[in-house]
Amino acid sequence: DVKVTQSSRYLVKRTGEKVFLECVQDMDHENMFWYRQDPGLGLRLIYFSYDVKMKEKGDIPEGYSVSREKKERFSLILESASTNQTSMYLCASSFANNGYTFGSGTRLTVV
Amino acid sequence: QQQVKQSPQSLIVQKGGISIINCAYENTAFDYFPWYQQFPGKGPALLIAIRPDVSEKKEGRFTISFNKSAKQFSLHIMDSQPGDSATYFCAAMIGQAGTALIFGKGTTLSVSS
Repeated sequence: DVKVTQSSRYLVKRTGEKVFLECVQDMDHENMFWYRQDPGLGLRLIYFSYDVKMKEKGDIPEGYSVSREKKERFSLILESASTNQTSMYLCASSFANNGYTFGSGTRLTVV
Repeated sequence: QQQVKQSPQSLIVQKGGISIINCAYENTAFDYFPWYQQFPGKGPALLIAIRPDVSEKKEGRFTISFNKSAKQFSLHIMDSQPGDSATYFCAAMIGQAGTALIFGKGTTLSVSS
């Protein structure tokens, strides 16, 4: 089974901090994605990548950046964390245009 | 045009009943329509998916019905069980490189015993 591992389940950071969320997949998928999940808003796409060093903005990229230096790893960066970035962050990967495999999520609280 | 509208927001069904969740889309270029199931504390997991060349797909108790002309698709859960209690998301995408799934806002299903 494909496994998508997110480095932290829970994270508490202070306003203004630079935050790194890490995601690693073990099945050589070319596509990787970052979504945030908020009650009543569903899953909203932040950024995605379809190849190493490639990135595409999703629907809500403001305040975020990403890095994909290796095929298996896709990092989400909050340049200066703000309280409105408190959320559940979900990483996913996929092969071609098939179903996504999601990680278990990182619940980030910015205080 | 990129939205996927999902309803209802929440649903309570008796054990053994049929659960029905509906989604609608605008972009006629969408050609892949999956449903995801999410349990508390877990990431969403692919449940079943359909492409627009068929009108129905069934896997066990789960069925997707697809109406291309109405731009709607729905998930039917037959003989609903308490273990089906979860949040369900519909999604859609254009099946080409450089695109990503657009998700509905989710439906929280509770199956009462």
